[in-house]
Amino acid sequence: QITLKESGPTLVKPTQTLTLTCSFSGFSLSTSGVGVGWIRQPPGKALEWLAVIYWDDDKRYSPSLKSRVTITKDTSRNQVVLTMTNMDPVDTGTYYCAHSRATSGYRKRHFDYWGQGALVTVSS
Amino acid sequence: DIQMTQSPSSLSASVGDRVTITCRASQSISDYLNWYQQKPGKAPKVVIYAASSLQSGVPSRFSGSGSGTDFTLTISSLQPDDFAIYYCQQSFDSPYTFGQGTKLEIK
Repeated sequence: QITLKESGPTLVKPTQTLTLTCSFSGFSLSTSGVGVGWIRQPPGKALEWLAVIYWDDDKRYSPSLKSRVTITKDTSRNQVVLTMTNMDPVDTGTYYCAHSRATSGYRKRHFDYWGQGALVTVSS
Repeated sequence: DIQMTQSPSSLSASVGDRVTITCRASQSISDYLNWYQQKPGKAPKVVIYAASSLQSGVPSRFSGSGSGTDFTLTISSLQPDDFAIYYCQQSFDSPYTFGQGTKLEIK
């Protein structure tokens, strides 16, 4: 059974750095084809894809956030960490991590398991 | 970036109706297209992946079709549990963008 759970601060001040941890079970990030991604959702708005990391340590980022976002994995602890610098009130929202499953080769993917989400508010 | 545009943005329908939601990609993405359902306060849930594959556990009234730039999600006979927001997402190229969502409401 695959589960994921996000953890981190609920409130950050503008200009601060946000660090979110995704702790998961039921799979290993050392298994070929596996990935974990981050997606966020401002209140009342659409989903926004942020970043993904794969079993081979390949990483992809949203170009609009690439200068501010870093994704890393700790395979031994079954964790993926998202770091976002220079936080702004527009970054307020729910941050989700999700398991990325590959079908028909490693490129065709979807998020099949999601965490419950972590609400982050950016305010002074 | 590949832009994903959904239509309509919102839709009112009745239980038992057949409903179709459309997603258009700004360039060809083959069949690298997923559909998610999201209910208030909950994480999204995949219903269709690779354009037409039904996710395990999802009722067969859900179906997906399309290839290239134009895709559809169809619910053959709406049930009360289906009223939610639906998002498409492309997995063809990074960034793996989502559409803006379609809110399916009860008429």
